[in-house]
Amino acid sequence: QSALTQPASVSGSPGQSITISCTGTSSDVGSYNLVSWYQQHPGIAPKLMIYEVNERPSGVSNRFSGSKSGNTASLTISGLQAEDEADYYCSSYAGSSTCVFGGGTKLTVL
Amino acid sequence: EVQLVESGGGLVQPGGSMRLSCAVSGFTLSSSWMHWVRQVPGKGLVWVSRINTDGISTTYADSVKGRFTISRDNAKNTLYLQMNSLRAEDTAVYYCARDVKNNYYMDVWGKGTAVTVS
Repeated sequence: QSALTQPASVSGSPGQSITISCTGTSSDVGSYNLVSWYQQHPGIAPKLMIYEVNERPSGVSNRFSGSKSGNTASLTISGLQAEDEADYYCSSYAGSSTCVFGGGTKLTVL
Repeated sequence: EVQLVESGGGLVQPGGSMRLSCAVSGFTLSSSWMHWVRQVPGKGLVWVSRINTDGISTTYADSVKGRFTISRDNAKNTLYLQMNSLRAEDTAVYYCARDVKNNYYMDVWGKGTAVTVS
């Protein structure tokens, strides 16, 4: 149950696109299309942004998209907006009915 | 409106026990898996435990296995986390979360309850 690897921070200017990577192993990300992404603003509970690699819940902007290649999943945010500044976490099914989260990435909108 | 409300957190001494509750409303608890996730302030999210719809199947992170027990009372629309043999490293905000498709992702979260072991 080792945490998935995310960059500690990323940044971008309004209107730009950014991508956050989430690297796991062949035991989690690489074996299952069960990767999800969460947005968390300070002091607030996480919010689901992407599930099953690339599915968006109702109400989430289509500026958010997900993908996966091998053991690495990615979250892309296009048309960056000030309100996108937050922490982002990936999560994956890790086998044996367990989950694992990434360490989190702080997104700064310049 | 779907809501999850955690309670039961507070201060406990090392080695002590505490039971967290998560009262749900706006949906039928019996149809969803549920999870507990914790977060040390300023740190990342850590998955703690999962329970299936009827409570028969439960799984735990290695760090809490044998000390924590997840359970549910579908009739009372409440999820529980019994925490025994608490350690300083269990200090965190504990969130309950719904897994509506029973597919290892959390679509609705509570606001969390803080547990301090000291």
